[in-house]
Amino acid sequence: GENVEQHPSTLSVQEGDSAVIKCTYSDSASNYFPWYKQELGKRPQLIIDIRSNVGEKKDQRIAVTLNKTAKHFSLHITETQPEDSAVYFCAAKRAKAAGNKLTFGGGTRVLVKP
Amino acid sequence: DAGVIQSPRHEVTEMGQEVTLRCKPISGHDYLFWYRQTMMRGLELLIYFNNNVPIDDSGMPEDRFSAKMPNASFSTLKIQPSEPRDSAVYFCASSFKGWNTEAFFGQGTRLTVV
Repeated sequence: GENVEQHPSTLSVQEGDSAVIKCTYSDSASNYFPWYKQELGKRPQLIIDIRSNVGEKKDQRIAVTLNKTAKHFSLHITETQPEDSAVYFCAAKRAKAAGNKLTFGGGTRVLVKP
Repeated sequence: DAGVIQSPRHEVTEMGQEVTLRCKPISGHDYLFWYRQTMMRGLELLIYFNNNVPIDDSGMPEDRFSAKMPNASFSTLKIQPSEPRDSAVYFCASSFKGWNTEAFFGQGTRLTVV
């Protein structure tokens, strides 16, 4: 089955700096890669996703990149703000044959220091 | 739609007791997922359903765990008998069919077994 590794497990940045979280996956057939943000005591919520036919996607201060050859993808947050403090999860999914099953990475706890 | 609804939000029970967690998915969604979240193991997929049929229960830890989906608008996750190591936050999520569809999470049930 799919295995998703996420690094680092914790990340502390100064407000205004950038944060980068990296994930690797094992199943070369995976083709959908969402990122979820979970604030303390709340549910995980989708913040951005990328499909395998795209190498990069941006949405305001966040961007994701995907390298299918190397089987890794990354989340970039620029100009970090205190409200970016949360746990971020990457995930991978393989279409059709494996159903609709998402496999999550272990999570990265991001702390933005004011 | 009110989103995915889980009940109860918090449950404290004594070891050996039966625990039932409930979930109402978003109307029209084809898939329903049960996840368990702990500090040690992150977000683990326990089981998921497609059109009320269990597809993959390989994540269910033991026979003490069972899940049902009697209709498209309701699912339960039962633990009998419960043990302290079952203490975790249990999330239900639902999504439309399709390989690139977002999974929407409920607020979670925080289970404490003492």
